[in-house]
Amino acid sequence: DIQMTQSPSSLSASVGDRVTITCRTSQSINTYLNWYQQRPGKAPKLLIYAASSLQSGVPSRFSGSGSGTDFTLSISSLQPDDFATYYCQQSYSAPYTFGQGTKLEIK
Amino acid sequence: QVQLVESGGGVVQPRRSLRLSCAASGFTFSSYAMHWVRQAPGKGLEWVAVISFDGSNEFFADSVKGRFTTSRDNSKNTLFLQMSSLSAEDTAVYYCARGQYASGSYYYDYWGQGTLVIVSS
Repeated sequence: DIQMTQSPSSLSASVGDRVTITCRTSQSINTYLNWYQQRPGKAPKLLIYAASSLQSGVPSRFSGSGSGTDFTLSISSLQPDDFATYYCQQSYSAPYTFGQGTKLEIK
Repeated sequence: QVQLVESGGGVVQPRRSLRLSCAASGFTFSSYAMHWVRQAPGKGLEWVAVISFDGSNEFFADSVKGRFTTSRDNSKNTLFLQMSSLSAEDTAVYYCARGQYASGSYYYDYWGQGTLVIVSS
């Protein structure tokens, strides 16, 4: 199974800040890496697929990069709506494992 | 519009069984593989299972292998998760999600709202 290491597990930031979350996989997955946002009590929402493709309707302040084993999710200018938990997921091979999550909190 | 609606959750005693359903609408259900993902209270997301578009193939996480099965009724646009030998570790919100291939990748573009399963005596 492919192991996911996501960091940090929590992050405190202010509105307007730029933040970056990283995800590392235990083996190369090309660009089979997705990012989801989850707000409390809600289902996850797809933000980024194929490592860097922005899902339709997602604001352009979200961006993803990476390939192989190292990936990043960046949010260029945090908005109040962005304070949530973020998960990476590999879709290279089953089981389609998720990272442990990064909880983004308001400073 | 695409909708996925889970049902069937509730409180169940340890070692008992429960069947979850996921009703799909707004897309050609029979063309998509479907997944189950769960989330224990206060924890992260855990992938559980996938069933192919025609139901001919399934794959499970080690944590549920041999206890859970999936099935689908493409004539009724419904996905099922049959859970047996349940334990407290299976307590979670269970989501169904649609698998989508595009741009050389694979991802979940639509999720249901989730159904809560509590395993407790």
